[in-house]
Amino acid sequence: GNSVTQMEGPVTLSEEAFLTINCTYTATGYPSLFWYVQYPGEGLQLLLKATKADDKGSNKGFEATYRKETTSFHLEKGSVQVSDSAVYFCALSDLGGAQKLVFGQGTRLTINP
Amino acid sequence: EAGVVQSPRYKIIEKKQPVAFWCNPISGHNTLYWYLQNLGQGPELLIRYENEEAVDDSQLPKDRFSAERLKGVDSTLKIQPAELGDSAVYLCASSSSGTGGYRDTQYFGPGTRLTVL
Repeated sequence: GNSVTQMEGPVTLSEEAFLTINCTYTATGYPSLFWYVQYPGEGLQLLLKATKADDKGSNKGFEATYRKETTSFHLEKGSVQVSDSAVYFCALSDLGGAQKLVFGQGTRLTINP
Repeated sequence: EAGVVQSPRYKIIEKKQPVAFWCNPISGHNTLYWYLQNLGQGPELLIRYENEEAVDDSQLPKDRFSAERLKGVDSTLKIQPAELGDSAVYLCASSSSGTGGYRDTQYFGPGTRLTVL
């Protein structure tokens, strides 16, 4: 079945550091890929998405590129801020409009000033 | 535009008691989802509704869990009786599903944190 694997956390960085959170997936067909973010005490929010190979999703300085050849969708940001501290989830949605999101286990990110 | 609304935000009950969670999706969204999120894990789908029809409930433990979406808008998820292992966050999400396999974004509510003592 479909699955998503994220790099294990927690991840702690200093402000202005470069961020990479790895995400790889296993799926049949051509899924859509997502990054969701969960701030403390809040629900999941869509951060960015990509619907086909080589697409790049971007939002709030975060980027991720859909790499079919490596089945990856790594999240990157060039300069993190304290306000980026949250839990980040990589997810896929299978083909056919079924919209069944399959999530990774999440990566907790803490940014220190 | 109002987001997905869930209530209550927190619930503490004794084991073997019943509990119910309510969800109001974004206006116009015909697809509604209930997810279970255990501590330190990603959400897992329990049930998906297209309008008032449950089209995917394969992961719903039907011996104690039930759900309904009357009139295709609000939804209620119930557990009866609750067990210690049901302590988790229950998330509701909604999306506006298009046709031809168009993939719409799911928007999540803040969740209900259930603690079973």
